[in-house]
Amino acid sequence: LAKTTQPISMDSYEGQEVNITCSHNNIATNDYITWYQQFPSQGPRFIIQGYKTKVTNEVASLFIPADRKSSTLSLPRVSLSDTAVYYCLVGDEHNAGNMLTFGGGTRLMVKP
Amino acid sequence: DTGVSQDPRHKITKRGQNVTFRCDPISEHNRLYWYRQTLGQGPEFLTYFQNEAQLEKSRLLSDRFSAERPKGSFSTLEIQRTEQGDSAMYLCASSLGTGMGAGYTFGSGTRLTVV
Repeated sequence: LAKTTQPISMDSYEGQEVNITCSHNNIATNDYITWYQQFPSQGPRFIIQGYKTKVTNEVASLFIPADRKSSTLSLPRVSLSDTAVYYCLVGDEHNAGNMLTFGGGTRLMVKP
Repeated sequence: DTGVSQDPRHKITKRGQNVTFRCDPISEHNRLYWYRQTLGQGPEFLTYFQNEAQLEKSRLLSDRFSAERPKGSFSTLEIQRTEQGDSAMYLCASSLGTGMGAGYTFGSGTRLTVV
């Protein structure tokens, strides 16, 4: 599985847009990029997944450049409740095998 | 279906005691996973079941750990002779088939504290 690198932590204020970038230089042709969110004392929760260009859902947007060696999770107009750890994972969605490999994630703190 | 359920949510035990955790997956999911998460780290894979068969185990799963999934429904994770290093959050997840996206659902975990 491709290794990912993310900032350890980020601070933001309510109402701002937050962009969290993940590097995955060794991403393979069949790999997808998946982001999870984890609140304290809860399990990770799927946010968004993409293969290339841009994906948007009701929670976030995911931007993936043409070389796919990085990706950016964009959270529009964050609120205090978006304070969480965000994990970027890379793997073959259709043959992911049996485990998810998490890195250390990015700890986002949203301040009032 | 309310998702993946884990019981208990919290467990405090003395070193050397045995503990058992339970996970009830989403009913139609055939795959069930156990992960361990220590403070400040991402979850680490422990083991995985497809239906009732345990198909993969991590090197993290020492011989003091055993997991079962009788009849391919709920699963239990037992830790024998607990050590302080076993203190962690134990997460269960389930999925229908392969994939790491929306179909992969985690429970809220069992937090184990060994004193």
